[in-house]
Amino acid sequence: NAGVMQNPRHLVRRRGQEARLRCSPMKGHSHVYWYRQLPEEGLKFMVYLQKENIIDESGMPKERFSAEFPKEGPSILRIQQVVRGDSAAYFCASSPPGQAFYEQYFGPGTRLTVT
Amino acid sequence: DQQVKQNSPSLSVQEGRISILNCDYTNSMFDYFLWYKKYPAEGPTFLISISSIKDKNEDGRFTVFLNKSAKHLSLHIVPSQPGDSAVYFCAASNQGAQKLVFGQGTRLTINP
Repeated sequence: NAGVMQNPRHLVRRRGQEARLRCSPMKGHSHVYWYRQLPEEGLKFMVYLQKENIIDESGMPKERFSAEFPKEGPSILRIQQVVRGDSAAYFCASSPPGQAFYEQYFGPGTRLTVT
Repeated sequence: DQQVKQNSPSLSVQEGRISILNCDYTNSMFDYFLWYKKYPAEGPTFLISISSIKDKNEDGRFTVFLNKSAKHLSLHIVPSQPGDSAVYFCAASNQGAQKLVFGQGTRLTINP
């Protein structure tokens, strides 16, 4: 049973480019969460999605960031016109439907470096 | 507004002894608490959790204690092993929010 998959593991972008981060949840999981970890800090919630629905995006920056979880395929976190401050580790987590959402299972992360 | 705080950035413990990691929270609406362990270049791995209706939960070498009146929880690892060296994150949630709020992490080093 494969865990949460994220790709790419490392991504380098120049300022002003777009970054696309992908996340495939664990089999049977229908809830996806994105978190960001800045250096020497804890993980900060960004967005919570179910298939084709954004449930909570209270942690997403108002501009340049968007997320989707289509009916088919992985969840995508998209960052447009990246800036140096976007450099961070981005983690995706998934949880099964129902009351077990507390126990979120994390992927290995994508480390974004903006040069 | 740091709702979950881990005030010790690092902790060093001798192998075989007890490791105690602490976490404080401010939001009284939190009703579920979790500990995650993280190795470098990997994602956090779920360790143990506790509901607010309990004050203790034990799983093998790991025990989590919750003191609701003090808004404090702790993770005890006994006996500590070299493989326990990692960063430990405390996290909290409530049923309505369905998102985890993390502390800053404590780097645990187990010395042989």
